[in-house]
Amino acid sequence: DAKTTQPTSMDCAEGRAANLPCNHSTISGNEYVYWYRQIHSQGPQYIIHGLKNNETNEMASLIITEDRKSSTLILPHATLRDTAVYYCIVRTGGTSYGKLTFGQGTILTVHP
Amino acid sequence: NAGVTQTPKFQVLKTGQSMTLQCAQDMNHEYMSWYRQDPGMGLRLIHYSVGAGITDQGEVPNGYNVSRSTTEDFPLRLLSAAPSQTSVYFCASSFETSGSRNEQFFGPGTRLTVL
Repeated sequence: DAKTTQPTSMDCAEGRAANLPCNHSTISGNEYVYWYRQIHSQGPQYIIHGLKNNETNEMASLIITEDRKSSTLILPHATLRDTAVYYCIVRTGGTSYGKLTFGQGTILTVHP
Repeated sequence: NAGVTQTPKFQVLKTGQSMTLQCAQDMNHEYMSWYRQDPGMGLRLIHYSVGAGITDQGEVPNGYNVSRSTTEDFPLRLLSAAPSQTSVYFCASSFETSGSRNEQFFGPGTRLTVL
């Protein structure tokens, strides 16, 4: 699976959009971009994933650049409960047998 | 559905003791995994299973054994606990198809301290 690079930490004001970047310059054509988050002391939680098109669900939006070498997770109206570590993970779909490779992620702090 | 459950929530062991961390899921997922998370680090894969009777090693398997006799349960055994195994352990399960979603569901974790 391709390696990802994320900023160590970011801040965001409550109610504003949080934009979390991820670089994955070695991504291959069959690899998906996944985002998980881990709220303090809890197990990670799936947020969203995509291949090459932008994706949106009830939690977030995922913007993937045309060359697929980077992506941005957008939390449109961040709340204090969104304070967490956010992991960007690149992996193949359907053949990874439940394996995820976690980096150190981005610590997002949402402040009042 | 209870999702993924783990017991115990907390455990303190002495060096050399053995124990089993329990993990169960009620979603009929094929795939189950064990991860460990050390302070300030991301999760690292210990062992995983693609179905009952089938297990394989992950990134950091030494000192741990697993078995998968049923779809629901995937226990993790520490054979002879060492202080280096002090960590938070997460179990996860997923139902993977040839499609892409492959969402993994994680349990609440077991916090293990080895003295």
